[in-house]
Amino acid sequence: QVQLVQSGAEVKKPGASVKVSCKASGYNFTAYYMHWLRRAPGQGLEWMGWINPNSGGTIFAQKFQGRVTMTTDTSISTAYMELDRLTSDDAALYYCARSRVSGTHYFQFWGQGTLVTVSS
Amino acid sequence: DIQMTQSPSTLSASVGDRVTITCRASQRISSWLAWYQQKPGKAPKLLIYKASFLEDGVPSRFSGSGSGTEFTLTISSLLPDDFATYYCQQYDSYLYTFGQGTKLEIK
Repeated sequence: QVQLVQSGAEVKKPGASVKVSCKASGYNFTAYYMHWLRRAPGQGLEWMGWINPNSGGTIFAQKFQGRVTMTTDTSISTAYMELDRLTSDDAALYYCARSRVSGTHYFQFWGQGTLVTVSS
Repeated sequence: DIQMTQSPSTLSASVGDRVTITCRASQRISSWLAWYQQKPGKAPKLLIYKASFLEDGVPSRFSGSGSGTEFTLTISSLLPDDFATYYCQQYDSYLYTFGQGTKLEIK
């Protein structure tokens, strides 16, 4: 069965970077884009971007361009999301997610979430 | 960017009630809309895709309808397990955007 397992909670200082991992299993990792989303406290869900593990190509929401990096290691079926220059606004639960059908952009499978706390 | 507006923000209902949540898009998105359920401490769960297609394993008391700019999620007879927050999401165009959520509470 498809599983996405994310790395553990992180506590970072303002201005630092955070890197979250998402290990996929149960499917052909290179056949589906990996998306990253977040939900800040009291806020709704926010899509950050996706990476195509087959090509390494990425698309980011404009809000995060210049500050986010998405990569994959296909040898271990793992995706990574790194967010730089953290502020208190970046404190959120971060999710990786996979679509139901390759090439579509709604999300059937989700990681368990990684809590990122930003505090001085 | 396409803005998604859900109403109501909070809905109080009782077990057995029929409830409807509305999602409006700021521009036409055909039927490229999904609905999710999220419970505290859990990842969102896909309920409906392409506006009206029920995800495998989702009970038939959930249904979706609409196209263009107005969409609804209906739960025909609430069970205790249905009290959660519901989100709509458009995937017509990058940037994929969500509604702000509807919290379904027990009356």
